[in-house]
Formats: sequence, structure tokens, C-alpha cells
Amino acid sequence: EAGVAQSPRYKIIEKRQSVAFWCNPISGHATLYWYQQILGQGPKLLIQFQNNGVVDDSQLPKDRFSAERLKGVDSTLKIQPAKLEDSAVYLCASSRAQGWTSGTSTDTQYFGPGTRLTVL
Amino acid sequence: KQEVTQIPAALSVPEGENLVLNCSFTDSAIYNLQWFRQDPGKGLTSLLLIQSSQREQTSGRLNASLDKSSGRSTLYIAASQPGDSATYLCAITSGGYQKVTFGTGTKLQVIP
Repeated sequence: EAGVAQSPRYKIIEKRQSVAFWCNPISGHATLYWYQQILGQGPKLLIQFQNNGVVDDSQLPKDRFSAERLKGVDSTLKIQPAKLEDSAVYLCASSRAQGWTSGTSTDTQYFGPGTRLTVL
Repeated sequence: KQEVTQIPAALSVPEGENLVLNCSFTDSAIYNLQWFRQDPGKGLTSLLLIQSSQREQTSGRLNASLDKSSGRSTLYIAASQPGDSATYLCAITSGGYQKVTFGTGTKLQVIP
């Protein structure tokens, strides 16, 4: 089974420039997540998709960040314009579905290798 | 709002020792808890997933426990090896939209 694919692996840009990241989840996985991980911290959820609908984007800085998941498969995350504090690793993860039985969730998240963004 | 804390932030042990990593959370109404390892420059690898109805899960030398009432989970690693050196993260799924909240991680170094 192929894993979660992300590109590019590294990106260096200057502040105020735009950047886009791409994620291809594991085939058949309905739920897709984008996380931001700043050095020395745990990942912070930016946005969660269920198929092509947004489930949670409460921590996404919507004035500069946007994300879409066309046809419920691939996803792109865009930053426009970038700031110095956006320097981080951007992780994409997927899981089969967050459906639940008897109040328990059953799914493991599988992570891609991440994209390391440096904003100068 | 769910808050997840991991102590210690870093740990160094000699090879062969048994060790325990801790994770605490503030909201006990969780769906599941997951332990991950992260190697430098790489993504996260899932180690164990504990459902809210379970108390522990085991995989090889790893054992994870969950005590919802006290808001704690532990990851026990038996007979540590240098290959276990990594950052270990716990993640809680909770809330109406099953939001995932990560701890800040424990960086483990196993010395040969």
C-alpha cells in the first residue's frame, strides 16, 4: 500500500511571496489533515477534510492560508503572502474515515514525510 | 479546549533500560489516544492507538495505557535499543468534530 505523498519536500521563499503544497493521501482514505509543526513543538491541526468537505478549520489563519481538496482525493495548501513565522514543517495525514460506533473512533492516521518551509 | 502535555521533554537512557513516557490531557471526553514516533526530518509513524473504551494496547516491546479519569496515558518501552531514539508524540482525538490535539513530544536518546 503506497503511503501519503507530499511535494515539494523543501521550499525556501522570501516573505510576502506565495507558496503551495500538495498532498496525495492513501487511496480510499476519506479523511485528510494538514498540520503545521514548528521546530520543537507538536503538530498543530490547520484543517481537516472529510471527502471534499471541510470538517474543522478553526486554527487555519484564513487571511493568508487556504486549502482545497478537489474530488475528495488530492489536496493543496496555499500561503499567500508568507510571513517569517510561517517557517515550519507542513504535514499531511490521512485516515480511512472518522466514523464511529458506540462513541469510539477507529482510525489510525498515516502521515506523509512533510514539507519543510523556510521563509526568509 | 483540549490541552495535551508530555513530560519529560527530553530523556537519555542507557541501552537495555525499561522506560516510561507520560502524556496528560485536560478533557477526559476523548475518542481515542494515539502514540507516534517521529524521526529527524521525517513524518510521524503510528505506534499504538487506544480507543476510549480500552485501557491498554501492546505491540512488541511497547505498551500504552490509558486512564481517562485521571487524564493520563503512559508509553512503556521495554529493553530500550539505540534504534528507539526518536521523538515520541501523543495525540488525542476529542470534541464534536473529532479534532486531533498533539502534545509537544518527548525526545528520547538511547545510548549504546
